[in-house]
This record gives sequence, structure tokens and C-alpha cells, in this order.
Amino acid sequence: DAKTTQPPSMDCAEGRAANLPCNHSTISGNEYVYWYRQIHSQGPQYIIHGLKNNETNEMASLIITEDRKSSTLILPHATLRDTAVYYCIVRVVFRYGQNFVFGPGTRLSVLP
Amino acid sequence: DVKVTQSSRYLVKRTGEKVFLECVQDMDHENMFWYRQDPGLGLRLIYFSYDVKMKEKGDIPEGYSVSREKKERFSLILESASTNQTSMYLCASSILIIRDRGDYGYTFGSGTRLTVV
Repeated sequence: DAKTTQPPSMDCAEGRAANLPCNHSTISGNEYVYWYRQIHSQGPQYIIHGLKNNETNEMASLIITEDRKSSTLILPHATLRDTAVYYCIVRVVFRYGQNFVFGPGTRLSVLP
Repeated sequence: DVKVTQSSRYLVKRTGEKVFLECVQDMDHENMFWYRQDPGLGLRLIYFSYDVKMKEKGDIPEGYSVSREKKERFSLILESASTNQTSMYLCASSILIIRDRGDYGYTFGSGTRLTVV
């Protein structure tokens, strides 16, 4: 079962910030939160990840609450090309590697 | 540019056929994964491999097998294709967790859309 919950869909106006929430209330202390997105008919694309601290890169910012039970992905200036399904994933580490458990994600529609 | 390449973008096979889906990565990654993606269900893990000739079952391995004879290649096999295996299949790879600085996690291929008729 997915360890995260996200709203099924969201709309955002072009040029505005898109804030995508994610709940991961059962996250363990050493589990990372990853965000991926999938544009129609393509494989998922990495966006950002974090453990405790807020993170920022050229694509997005990730805000993680102090208790780590939820996080928010921020696309600061959404464009039409940001329309995609966004997955919030908790990385599960096991003996020989890692696994990403994907949920249904949030379908973000950026509107002109 | 790093790549995970899936051999076919679209495949149509008949019920009962043996189907091979091929995935090749050029990043020297130890871990490789096969997922299937269906509407409303997200991505579900079928099998993964953490080294050559090593494999582990994921969440939905029934009806599938895998082969990893070389580090760069991970094959998904449908022994006898059925219509309920019509789906998008995604391959991914990653470095070993002990070397993973968490920079990018998985790299995915573009997917193979398989239709079983």
C-alpha cells in the first residue's frame, strides 16, 4: 500500500504558484520523501527529494513539516508544460536496495 | 545523457503468446525495476533486481518472470500473455542504496504500452 495520500486533482493558473500537498503520517525517521511527475505517455521524471529540511532546486521547492507527517511541493511559476500527474513517494529501504511505492498521485492542470 | 531504454514503445500480442519486454540502462546501476501502470491504480511493482542474476518479487509478480544476465539489461517475461496484462510497463534503475546520496532516486524509461488481444 502507498504510504502517502494526495488529492486526486488540482487546478492552477498559469504563472501562479502551484502548491501540491502530501500526507505521509506513517513515515519513519530515516525515510526520504521523493516527488516525481509524469507527463502523459512518458516515464516518471524526478523533481526533488528531502528528509527533514526544506529543499529547493531549479524545478521546485519542497517544504516538509517539522513532524515530517506532511509535505508540500511548490512550483513557483507554473507553466502549461507543468500539467502532469505528480507523485509523492516515501522511499522504502530494504536489505538489498530501495523501493518506491507509488500511489495514484495528483493530476495538476495548469490553466491559461 | 543518462538513459533507460525500453526496446518497444508499443506492442500488440495474442493471448497465450510468450512476451519479452527488454530494458537497458547505461548508468552502471545495480538496481533495476519493472512496474506496470494502470488507470486509477498508479504504478505497481512487479519485480526488481539488485544485482546480476538476482531477483525479488514485487507486489504483483503473478504471471510474470524476469531475467538479469547482464548488469545493464533487465527483461520482463510474460510466459503466457493474458488480456488482463494489457498495460503500460515501465522500467527503472537506481544505484545501490549504500551509494545513494539521494540525488535522483530512480531513472525511468519511456514505457512500453502492451496490448494483449
